[in-house]
Amino acid sequence: AQSVTQLGSHVSVSEGALVLLRCNYSSSVPPYLFWYVQYPNQGLQLLLKYTSAATLVKGINGFEAEFKKSETSFHLTKPSAHMSDAAEYFCAVSDGTGAGSYQLTFGKGTKLSVIP
Amino acid sequence: GAVVSQHPSWVICKSGTSVKIECRSLDFQATTMFWYRQFPKQSLMLMATSNEGSKATYEQGVEKDKFLINHASLTLSTLTVTSAHPEDSSFYICSARTGGAGQPQHFGDGTRLSIL
Repeated sequence: AQSVTQLGSHVSVSEGALVLLRCNYSSSVPPYLFWYVQYPNQGLQLLLKYTSAATLVKGINGFEAEFKKSETSFHLTKPSAHMSDAAEYFCAVSDGTGAGSYQLTFGKGTKLSVIP
Repeated sequence: GAVVSQHPSWVICKSGTSVKIECRSLDFQATTMFWYRQFPKQSLMLMATSNEGSKATYEQGVEKDKFLINHASLTLSTLTVTSAHPEDSSFYICSARTGGAGQPQHFGDGTRLSIL
């Protein structure tokens, strides 16, 4: 079984400040991990993915995430927040099981607000 | 690349009617497509998984006779909400994936369904 916990349903940062969105996962096998962003009334856009290559993964829009097996974490960071980063962020895990369908399990999401 | 088109983006209809939502992968072949439902301020709830040419696999609690899914080709899946009622009003999102477990799902922009 797999699960995802996103700490903090709402995070506020000032424009230009560091963004840190937390994600912890549980998986019985080595996981595949993803971060998605959702803007209002839209679908989800892939920010980055971890698939057992480099533990530090760089994504789009200046975001990156680090896979830490010992902490079962995959936190998302961005050095300097921009107003356009305000959105809902979802962490998701797939452990490669599910009879080939490889379903994603999503966290509950973290809403990021950026204060000018 | 990896564009998923979902249509329509917004539907308002009377109770008792059926509504069809299309999900197309525009620039890749989707071996698997997923249908999600999202309630306000919540995460995505997986409704069903479909592989091309096979019957969809529904999640527990999802009525297969109410939510008909057809995955007739590698680029098209449809969700038909039959005899829709106000409680079916929601945001429905499809996603498509090609390849194995490490490949991300690519999402459509969602369909806002409002049943009067």
